[in-house]
Amino acid sequence: AQSVAQPEDQVNVAEGNPLTVKCTYSVSGNPYLFWYVQYPNRGLQFLLKYITGDNLVKGSYGFEAEFNKSQTSFHLKKPSALVSDSALYFCAAFFLYGNNRLAFGKGNQVVVIP
Amino acid sequence: EAGVAQSPRYKIIEKRQSVAFWCNPISGHATLYWYQQILGQGPKLLIQFQNNGVVDDSQLPKDRFSAERLKGVDSTLKIQPAKLEDSAVYLCASSSGAGQGTYNEQFFGPGTRLTVL
Repeated sequence: AQSVAQPEDQVNVAEGNPLTVKCTYSVSGNPYLFWYVQYPNRGLQFLLKYITGDNLVKGSYGFEAEFNKSQTSFHLKKPSALVSDSALYFCAAFFLYGNNRLAFGKGNQVVVIP
Repeated sequence: EAGVAQSPRYKIIEKRQSVAFWCNPISGHATLYWYQQILGQGPKLLIQFQNNGVVDDSQLPKDRFSAERLKGVDSTLKIQPAKLEDSAVYLCASSSGAGQGTYNEQFFGPGTRLTVL
């Protein structure tokens, strides 16, 4: 069964420091992987996706993520965090020819401290 | 391009009452999704429509939840009667197409926050 794990509940980081939000997945076959961000009282906004090709994917607002097949991970990163990056981040996976459902992790609250 | 619209944004009801949510997807998007997002959890798919047909409703509690997408555009999700555990944010999303062997990015609406007292 496909599943996505985001092991941390909250990530605290000082403004200007690197930000990493962890995600691991469990699917059989090759997944499509996504990161979404959710600001208070807003819907989910797409950040980036990995379908195929380069393992390093660049997305919106300076975020990037690295697909690591051997570790089944897709960690989200930003070199220098901003206070405005404080939000809820969701990792998601979709498996072609599976149940055709986007499986979400539980989310990570990111708090960027000024 | 207008995004996915949802209404109402907030709703407070008492248990055993009924409630309905409305969603208008992005114009031209054939696929529409309803998700339930409980506090502290990721969104869970309730139902997926392709045009006006149901593709996946395996996680929809059919004894109390129903959804329809007449004419393949707008959709409504209804809960009747509501229970305390239905308190959640209900998200609508749309995409330009979905099916076996394909995936297109989903665009989400702002959600409806339901509180059941």
